[in-house]
Amino acid sequence: DIVMTQSPDSLAVSLGERATINCESSQSVFYSSNNKNYLAWYQQKPGQPPKVLIYWASTRESGVPDRFSGSGSGTDFTLTISSLQAEDVAVYYCQQYYSSPCTFGQGTKLEIK
Amino acid sequence: QVTLKESGPVLVKPTETLTLTCTVSGFSLSNAGMGVSWIRQPPGKAPEWLAHIFSNDEESYSTSLKSRLTISKDTSKSQVVLTMTNMDPVDTATYYCARCPVGYYGSGRTPYYYYMDVWGKGTTVTVSS
Repeated sequence: DIVMTQSPDSLAVSLGERATINCESSQSVFYSSNNKNYLAWYQQKPGQPPKVLIYWASTRESGVPDRFSGSGSGTDFTLTISSLQAEDVAVYYCQQYYSSPCTFGQGTKLEIK
Repeated sequence: QVTLKESGPVLVKPTETLTLTCTVSGFSLSNAGMGVSWIRQPPGKAPEWLAHIFSNDEESYSTSLKSRLTISKDTSKSQVVLTMTNMDPVDTATYYCARCPVGYYGSGRTPYYYYMDVWGKGTTVTVSS
């Protein structure tokens, strides 16, 4: 199984500042035949299911604010929130779907400083 | 509007079999471009994918739990059912079903599931005697 490792485990950022979460996969999740990275990012607030923010590493889901962006390729990926809002407090997970079983990172808890 | 709703017992005893039902609306389980996965999340931990079923009834399972899981669907009822045998307290978790877009690869058109684009609210299952 592909192991997904996120860093940091927790992060405190001031309102309006940039937040950056990293995700590393134990093997490449890039499929050269279609030039896609099989990587998604989810946001989970307390008592709610995860919500997809980004898929194919950088495609924003419909309705997701443009302050959320995804980047990276191969084994190293980043989720960036350009200007943190109070409603962004949550746990964020990366997930690879390159090979089955799909696997999630351990999560990064984002708080307000 | 696409929705998924999980249902099943709140409490099961060790060694019992858990049966969960996911009732979907807003899309058809016969849609070749979509499938349904089950995912669980123990308290305070990351989600763990369990199983997926495709429109053609092909199944895919977690490596570590494959021997205990069975996924099936009733397209006419818009329901996906997951059974997990020999339940243990470590299986205590919130169980979610989610819709997954599906792609096809190779000349044999092998299906493969992608990310989870719509999730149910989840159902909490406690395993205790």
